[in-house]
Amino acid sequence: GAVVSQHPSRVICKSGTSVKIECRSLDFQATTMFWYRQFPKQSLMLMATSNEGSKATYEQGVEKDKFLINHASLTLSTLTVTSAHPEDSSFYICSASRTETYGYTFGSGTRLTVV
Amino acid sequence: GIQVEQSPPDLILQEGANSTLRCNFSDSVNNLQWFHQNPWGQLINLFYIPSGTKQNGRLSATTVATERYSLLYISSSQTTDSGVYFCASEDIFGTGTRLKVLA
Repeated sequence: GAVVSQHPSRVICKSGTSVKIECRSLDFQATTMFWYRQFPKQSLMLMATSNEGSKATYEQGVEKDKFLINHASLTLSTLTVTSAHPEDSSFYICSASRTETYGYTFGSGTRLTVV
Repeated sequence: GIQVEQSPPDLILQEGANSTLRCNFSDSVNNLQWFHQNPWGQLINLFYIPSGTKQNGRLSATTVATERYSLLYISSSQTTDSGVYFCASEDIFGTGTRLKVLA
């Protein structure tokens, strides 16, 4: 149990376009989902925390108008990178927190390359 | 905010060797977890260990909350253990230990 599906796993987009990344909890309800960003050989950096039905809470320095997060249901959160630029190229990972037990379950990650 | 430092930053082992990874945190933490990130990026939750000792197969972890550190032990390492090991307190991830196990 506790599977989180993240799609796409890889995406290449042109500069100026938008990209949507989906994160789904397949067999549990996730009241809270987290989005992380990871640059090569660096640790994960929390971008934002999203709670179902409410606005996401962004970490300091993360542009909320650029990284749009929607958590419309207990099983789905999306991250949209708007007007992507090459510096947005990174590895994005979502995770979900189960309601009945503590612990994060992570998606498989999305490698975004903006050309 | 809390700072989470890990050591060593890089580690190369011969298959079968044992190792100890350390995680230091700058302030008291209520929740501490260890994760393994495989070479493909997938993160696996290894232990939720705010205090005490836990074991799971060849892996074990100990957290001494009063002294603000946690240790991850890997025994009889295998090539599949390669990857990056992170400790995390709540949403704050440590700097990671990059492990490579050689056949």
